[in-house]
Amino acid sequence: GAGVSQSPRYKVAKRGQDVALRCDPISGHVSLFWYQQALGQGPEFLTYFQNEAQLDKSGLPSDRFFAERPEGSVSTLKIQRTQQEDSAVYLCASSLDNQGFGYTFGSGTRLTVV
Amino acid sequence: AQKVTQAQTEISVVEKEDVTLDCVYETRDTTYYLFWYKQPPSGELVFLIRRNSFDEQNEISGRYSWNFQKSTSSFNFTITASQVVDSAVYFCALSETTYNQGGKLIFGQGTELSVKP
Repeated sequence: GAGVSQSPRYKVAKRGQDVALRCDPISGHVSLFWYQQALGQGPEFLTYFQNEAQLDKSGLPSDRFFAERPEGSVSTLKIQRTQQEDSAVYLCASSLDNQGFGYTFGSGTRLTVV
Repeated sequence: AQKVTQAQTEISVVEKEDVTLDCVYETRDTTYYLFWYKQPPSGELVFLIRRNSFDEQNEISGRYSWNFQKSTSSFNFTITASQVVDSAVYFCALSETTYNQGGKLIFGQGTELSVKP
């Protein structure tokens, strides 16, 4: 596609529920990033994939967060046993290479945990 | 550790005023990149500019200009003759050229700009 597509656009989850957030990067983009943006804050790095390899997951806040990109294209961010503090916008970005050129963000998924 | 500070949380101006958004960064690397992004109410981050640490030339693009000063670790952004459509949250960000990090971004907290007619 022409841009980075994220789905769903909005998600409301009950506390304790598992959720899965999808990111479709720009075709051919090598790098894929997930960021978490709490209300009124700047985005914070969660994890980075280079093709199908997850090279950096240092930003994942707990072991309830898991991300995958099995075929080096679409990525899924999964949050298990959601907590209220997980409420945020989750942004996906893809980049043409591994140096950050051509960084493009999706519109994000707004997760609200009630 | 890398850090980006945007000290101005909110700025309000009247249309046609000039406005400068401040950004100060910290890094131990000699090679790095600095970015500005715009986030309108729709939520998508819109790329504005990317500069590398070896290029301190100021840049102008239409009503936008950027002042990069390594001596003060600052990368400020000026909008000349602001317009209502400039209203958004603006983020300054830093990335380092480490292979395994792929250019991950460290963002500031953002400055919310409100331009009133």
